[in-house]
Amino acid sequence: AQTVTQSQPEMSVQEAETVTLSCTYDTSESDYYLFWYKQPPSRQMILVIRQEAYKQQNATENRFSVNFQKAAKSFSLKISDSQLGDAAMYFCAYKVPQGGSEKLVFGKGTKLTVNP
Amino acid sequence: DAGVIQSPRHEVTEMGQEVTLRCKPISGHNSLFWYRQTMMRGLELLIYFNNNVPIDDSGMPEDRFSAKMPNASFSTLKIQPSEPRDSAVYFCASSGGRVNEQFFGPGTRLTVL
Repeated sequence: AQTVTQSQPEMSVQEAETVTLSCTYDTSESDYYLFWYKQPPSRQMILVIRQEAYKQQNATENRFSVNFQKAAKSFSLKISDSQLGDAAMYFCAYKVPQGGSEKLVFGKGTKLTVNP
Repeated sequence: DAGVIQSPRHEVTEMGQEVTLRCKPISGHNSLFWYRQTMMRGLELLIYFNNNVPIDDSGMPEDRFSAKMPNASFSTLKIQPSEPRDSAVYFCASSGGRVNEQFFGPGTRLTVL
């Protein structure tokens, strides 16, 4: 069964600094999707970034980027120039491609605190 | 696009009462998901539908929980009778397209006294 592990229950970063959140996953599939979701105190789940496993290039969305290491089954999220509004729970998630199960498998989350 | 719409946003009820949560997915999306989030168990998938048909309900806790999707624009999650351990935030999400990334609604915070 696919599993997603986020080994850091909590992280903190100073405003304007860079922080990296870790995520590892276990799968026997060769093609899949990986996602990072953000959940601020409002509890709305917001998609931050996604990565398709067949793409070697790491995905980037403004200040958010990933370090995707397929062989190591690692998918870390880097937040550059951290802002107060980045404070939230961050969830890593995995999904097999269309045609397989539509399930997203989530990690337990990392709570990020941004210190002014 | 209004996004995924859930109602009510908050629900407080007494043990034994019936609770119905509602969801309107994003127009054009063909998959709909119900999740439950608690501190202890994190985010759990309860059930998902594809083209209005329930595909996987293995996450539904017990017979007190039921979900329906009578058409492409509406789904309900019902708990009858409710128990205090059902207190949680319930999310609905929908997806469509090649990547099928899921878009979440704002959630319903359920408190069962």
